[in-house]
This record gives sequence, structure tokens and C-alpha cells, in this order.
Amino acid sequence: EAQVTQNPRYLITVTGKKLTVTCSQNMNHEYMSWYRQDPGLGLRQIYYSMNVEVTDKGDVPEGYKVSRKEKRNFPLILESPSPNQTSLYFCASSFTVYNEQFFGPGTRLTVL
Amino acid sequence: SQQGEEDPQALSIQEGENATMNCSYKTSINNLQWYRQNSGRGLVHLILIRSNEREKHSGRLRVTLDTSKKSSSLLITASRAADTASYFCAVNSGAGSYQLTFGKGTKLSVIP
Repeated sequence: EAQVTQNPRYLITVTGKKLTVTCSQNMNHEYMSWYRQDPGLGLRQIYYSMNVEVTDKGDVPEGYKVSRKEKRNFPLILESPSPNQTSLYFCASSFTVYNEQFFGPGTRLTVL
Repeated sequence: SQQGEEDPQALSIQEGENATMNCSYKTSINNLQWYRQNSGRGLVHLILIRSNEREKHSGRLRVTLDTSKKSSSLLITASRAADTASYFCAVNSGAGSYQLTFGKGTKLSVIP
């Protein structure tokens, strides 16, 4: 089944404790992206990747890191999480940015 | 920078009525996409319309694009309770941009 998977789905952590949210797709997509969704603000793009080893900042990259070492995986890293990073995070993938995006189920992160 | 802006923010209609949502954007685009989100779940792609297209249909969905007004509309005909969801437009500005920018969404409630 073609899908985008994210793990974990729910995470409660404390300020400053490094964490990684994994994202994997099985559709051989070149383009992958991370978004955060906050009430009243819609979805905002954090980082995106056009292909392996090619990443760039979105609109809200501060406090996040990404890597794209393999085509299928695009992990989101929070080196030192803060409470303002409490949010619902979505990973998405597509063949290119000009195609429809397939979204993962979301990761609800709470930073205390 | 947020390009797509949906209007209205919320819409409540009776089952069987038509629902129209609008999206405005600021710069030229390569394509505009509409997505649906059910209550905190992952987004699902509905329709992609390219800048050289004026109208597209998919089942009960009709999307129009007016590049001179920098706006798009999504029409859902003969709405059902299952159409209750949030609807988002997303734009890619092309011209070497690899970002997809979402609006804040329209929350549609269809009352049985």
C-alpha cells in the first residue's frame, strides 16, 4: 500500500531533550516536506527536500533540522525542543513539488 | 510567507446544499491544490489545477481558477454530512520555487 508513515504518532517530552520524528514513504517520491499545524495558523512548511542530500528551509525552520540520506526517509530533528514547538506535525511526499502531496497521519508533539 | 488565504473561515450548511470556498493568493503560481482534512488527521489531496487551466472537476467537486484575480474557488455540490472537514488551498509559485504554501483553511460543517 502506498503510504507515508510517521513515528511516533504522539510524543510528550520536556524542554531541551533532543528528539527525532521519523518519516518514510514507499512511493519513490523525490520531494518530501515537513509542516507544522497550529490552531488559527494553518499549515506552515518547516523544511523540504527536492531529492537525496538536497534540503532547504521553509517558512518556519528555526529550532529544527532535517536530513535526507535516503530517498524514502526524511527525519525531523529537534535538537533542543521548547514549549513553542508544541504542535501537530505532518510529513508529506510527492514526485515533485508540482504534483499532489501525500500526507502522513501526523505526530502530535507536546513539549513541557 | 503565506500565499493561499481561504474564505470564509467557517461555513455551515444543510445536507444537500452546495458549499463554495474561495482561495486568494498574492503572486503568480505554477499550480494551486485543494486538500481536505478530517479533524486533526492527515490531509487528503482533492484537486490540482495548473495555472493554464480554468476549471477542473472531480465527482461532486468543481475547482475554478482565475489568474487575473489571483483566486480560486472550490464548489462541493449536493453536500453530505461526510463532507464535514477543513479545506485548504495550497499554492506553488513556480519560478524556481520548491515551496508549497498553505492557507489557514475553511472549516465546513454539513448538518444532516
